[in-house]
Amino acid sequence: AQSVTQLDSQVPVFEEAPVELRCNYSSSVSVYLFWYVQYPNQGLQLLLKYLSGSTLVKGINGFEAEFNKSQTSFHLRKPSVHISDTAEYFCAVISLSGSARQLTFGSGTQLTVLP
Amino acid sequence: DTEVTQTPKHLVMGMTNKKSLKCEQHMGHRAMYWYKQKAKKPPELMFVYSYEKLSINESVPSRFSPECPNSSLLNLHLHALQPEDSALYLCASSPHAGAGTGELFFGEGSRLTVL
Repeated sequence: AQSVTQLDSQVPVFEEAPVELRCNYSSSVSVYLFWYVQYPNQGLQLLLKYLSGSTLVKGINGFEAEFNKSQTSFHLRKPSVHISDTAEYFCAVISLSGSARQLTFGSGTQLTVLP
Repeated sequence: DTEVTQTPKHLVMGMTNKKSLKCEQHMGHRAMYWYKQKAKKPPELMFVYSYEKLSINESVPSRFSPECPNSSLLNLHLHALQPEDSALYLCASSPHAGAGTGELFFGEGSRLTVL
């Protein structure tokens, strides 16, 4: 079985400050990892993904994440946030074995960027 | 065209009504999904269609009836719903059927209110 834990339900941060949204996963097999963003009254949008290769993954809107296998983490970072980054962020995992592999979402982190 | 289009955006229905939610994608994706999302929660998987065949039903009550008329269209028929079914219903598609890579393309959702 696979699971995802997002350690912070809400993260307030001032504009132009750096931010880190934390994500830890649990799986007995190799995984693919994702961050999705959901702006108010919209669907989810893929921010970035880790499938293989370099553990530092760059995504859209200046976000990046680092896959750490030993710590089973996939934290999302941005060096300088904007008001427009205010949204709900979901970490997600899919295991690479099993016949019915589906995406498992974390509980979400509400990022609020303050002026 | 990289969009998943959902209609209607908003729907209010009584518990005795019959209505349908519609979803369309023209990206040639082979898998389509229905998710249910309650406020401040992650999406919950309801159904998965792979190559136009229902491959996953996550024990969804029969008052929700999915239909995939062709590879571009996905419907969700609603009948005798309960107020607790009020939620945002998200349609998604992915390039690969079966297990997939976990990369999903979401529509903006249909916000359903059951009175």
